[in-house]
Amino acid sequence: KNEVEQSPQNLTAQEGEFITINCSYSVGISALHWLQQHPGGGIVSLFMLSSGKKKHGRLIATINIQEKHSSLHITASHPRDSAVYICAVGRGSQGNLIFGKGTKLSVKP
Amino acid sequence: GEEVAQTPKHLVRGEGQKAKLYCAPIKGHSYVFWYQQVLKNEFKFLISFQNENVFDETGMPKERFSAKCLPNSPCSLEIQATKLEDSAVYFCASSQAEWTEAFFGQGTRLTVV
Repeated sequence: KNEVEQSPQNLTAQEGEFITINCSYSVGISALHWLQQHPGGGIVSLFMLSSGKKKHGRLIATINIQEKHSSLHITASHPRDSAVYICAVGRGSQGNLIFGKGTKLSVKP
Repeated sequence: GEEVAQTPKHLVRGEGQKAKLYCAPIKGHSYVFWYQQVLKNEFKFLISFQNENVFDETGMPKERFSAKCLPNSPCSLEIQATKLEDSAVYFCASSQAEWTEAFFGQGTRLTVV
């Protein structure tokens, strides 16, 4: 079993839909990251969180440390949100991350 | 600079040849991280630096991989005697301080033939 599990693996949505991507982990962590990898390969760091909830525009990330679970929500999804979303957990030093296998999101107009 | 600059974008090496990848972090950023992405979604942490000092090298395959961050020079990741399984995209990221947002470069695609 992987230490970081994401679901779903693939997700297709219609423009405007509310999206949820889930991440469960089985190890103690110092922080959890959500990354976005564009179809061209570029990576953007969306959130780094160790408790509670963070919001950035239409993106919301939550984490429940007791349940070892995090969710990434996208409100009013748009085709430009189409990308692979990757959950990664930090176990010790910053940057030393264990990565999930990603969720490929496709938003149709 | 205002972005993490990785060079080259693409690198092709014959098996057994040396490969050297470069990363210029954002100016003022103290931390540099290297990651390897094999296939589409298999990321692995390799090494991190705090300025020119190795911070965490627990992910580095020590036999053939080495990395440096010297003052006033881009950081580098070098692979001696490349193997087919080293084919991957290598990403570099930098952050201003520990536990602050990391910014990623565009990656170097290494193909070993």
